[in-house]
Amino acid sequence: AQKITQTQPGMFVQEKEAVTLDCTYDTSDPSYGLFWYKQPSSGEMIFLIYQGSYDQQNATEGRYSLNFQKARKSANLVISASQLGDSAMYFCAMRVTSGGSYIPTFGRGTSLIVHP
Amino acid sequence: EAGVTQSPTHLIKTRGQQATLRCSPISGHTSVYWYQQALGLGLQFLLWYDEGEERNRGNFPPRFSGRQFPNYSSELNVNALELEDSALYLCASSLDRGRPGRTQYFGPGTRLTVL
Repeated sequence: AQKITQTQPGMFVQEKEAVTLDCTYDTSDPSYGLFWYKQPSSGEMIFLIYQGSYDQQNATEGRYSLNFQKARKSANLVISASQLGDSAMYFCAMRVTSGGSYIPTFGRGTSLIVHP
Repeated sequence: EAGVTQSPTHLIKTRGQQATLRCSPISGHTSVYWYQQALGLGLQFLLWYDEGEERNRGNFPPRFSGRQFPNYSSELNVNALELEDSALYLCASSLDRGRPGRTQYFGPGTRLTVL
């Protein structure tokens, strides 16, 4: 069975500093995708970044980067130069294609608060 | 390009009633996913539709059902509503058949309250 674990219920960071949000995953399938989403208080899930299991390099999207350590099964999100607007819930998710079936799996999320 | 849309924004029902939630995917997307997000919890996968067919469902009772129309829009029906069905229901669309690497784009959600 697939599983995503986010061990940090809440994180605090000062504006303009970097922050790392942890995510570990568990799957026995060799082909999978890892995603991070941001959910502001409005409720809409916003796609941030994607990492494929066969990608050799860590994914980056602007201020977001994904620290992918395959052997440790971790996919941590790094936000550089935090902004007040980054305050939100952040969800790590995994997609696995297994035997023709597919169930997307999300972690329980990390609440990030950015202080001025 | 218009994003994923959902209606209604809010829905208030009483226990035992039926609720119908609607979702329109991004133009060209053939897959629609439904999720339930109860207060303080992560997203729980409900249903996946692609090309008009139900491809998979999560661990939810049969009173959660839905369908996908020929224009790829989708409807989620919840019968015999229970208090614990109160949640934010999110719809997402993508252009895939569940292949890893295809991003899901989410709508703003429907907040269902069961009294």
